[in-house]
Amino acid sequence: QSVLTQPPSASGTPGQRVTISCSGSSSNIGGNYVYWYQQLPGAVPKLLMYNNNQRTSGVPDRFSGSKSGSSASLAISGLRSEDEADYYCAAWDDSLRGYVFGTGTKVTVL
Amino acid sequence: EVQLMESGGGLVQPGGSLRLSCAASGFTFSTYWMSWVRQAPGKGLEWVANIKKDGGEKNYVGSVKGRFTISRDNAQNSLFLQMNSLRVEDTAVYYCARGGVPIDYWGQGTLVTVSS
Repeated sequence: QSVLTQPPSASGTPGQRVTISCSGSSSNIGGNYVYWYQQLPGAVPKLLMYNNNQRTSGVPDRFSGSKSGSSASLAISGLRSEDEADYYCAAWDDSLRGYVFGTGTKVTVL
Repeated sequence: EVQLMESGGGLVQPGGSLRLSCAASGFTFSTYWMSWVRQAPGKGLEWVANIKKDGGEKNYVGSVKGRFTISRDNAQNSLFLQMNSLRVEDTAVYYCARGGVPIDYWGQGTLVTVSS
């Protein structure tokens, strides 16, 4: 049972902006960095964002991350068909002494 | 190129044991924390355990504490997960992953099925 809560789904038409939220607590997001992963259909997860808002190498600037208090969000602007995937937030949890993942959000491009 | 190759998955009965292995290459294994992450069929990601560079610190998710043991052999660039007292709910693809926080590379995974 994940301690980071995400909406199960999000969708948009090509070119639109989609935002995914990730809600946690002071023991995880509130006190530590947030990471975002993208899992394309049938593929392994890929680290997309690190340290709240830094894109990993090769990730287009259409992806952006932010954090405020115990919540974080990932925004995808200029949505493209290849962005259709599952997205997971993650953070270290000081109380659980573990790396916790969000519940995951499936992004659909209509 | 970072490569992580898991092995050891398979079908096991409830209460049984299994040992997963992960062969790492393409990076200096001994300088990285390493982790195991699992994903049940059609479900989300669940972190299982991680281990410090020298093996001196290990962390586990609550549901596997006392049943699973993570270990590593830096001389052989290998990561292991010993899984005992397996339960039906442990059925998942198990990924070997580089890093503690964050995890930055993943293997292709090995399927563990616990069923009678």
